[in-house]
Amino acid sequence: GIQVEQSPPDLILQEGANSTLRCNFSDSVNNLQWFHQNPWGQLINLFYIPSGTKQNGRLSATTVATERYSLLYISSSQTTDSGVYFCAVVSNFGNEKLTFGTGTRLTIIP
Amino acid sequence: GAVVSQHPSWVICKSGTSVKIECRSLDFQATTMFWYRQFPKQSLMLMATSNEGSKATYEQGVEKDKFLINHASLTLSTLTVTSAHPEDSSFYICSAPLGQPQHFGDGTRLSIL
Repeated sequence: GIQVEQSPPDLILQEGANSTLRCNFSDSVNNLQWFHQNPWGQLINLFYIPSGTKQNGRLSATTVATERYSLLYISSSQTTDSGVYFCAVVSNFGNEKLTFGTGTRLTIIP
Repeated sequence: GAVVSQHPSWVICKSGTSVKIECRSLDFQATTMFWYRQFPKQSLMLMATSNEGSKATYEQGVEKDKFLINHASLTLSTLTVTSAHPEDSSFYICSAPLGQPQHFGDGTRLSIL
């Protein structure tokens, strides 16, 4: 099946810093989503972005489907941005099944 | 607002108990729902695909007799962990596609003592 790797696995930043999270996937996809998992386990939908670029406030994402990667940018980090960020994909042969990446644990220090 | 509702949020019970978790699609019909499991500090892994009116499809390594899935209506799928043991303690979360993107419930934290 499709493999989804995220980097870095852990990231510790000072409040106000910018960060870039990367998601690499091994096969062509027709769905890619970025999530923020909060301390209670809830998955917060950040972006649906199988290709192209989107922005939402301090967050933006870019997916280059032909090169099989996606990037999540967080600018002016706040402590509430802390948590685990997952990308998840549906391969073109995946029948709507989402395969989650390995995750990036982000810690923002005041 | 939430489009997928999952209950209960927390379950703590004794070893040997069977536990039922519900996943409901709100204001839309879902012929397919997905059940995921997440162990501490790990990613989410798909357990099974719930199909309305037919048998669930389980991923490799998931015991179908232990994790019973019923998708009896277009808005409700249930996951029953039968004779739960401490190693079944985990975070279980469901999702339902409403076109794109997929929407997730808030998850159920299961602790077996």
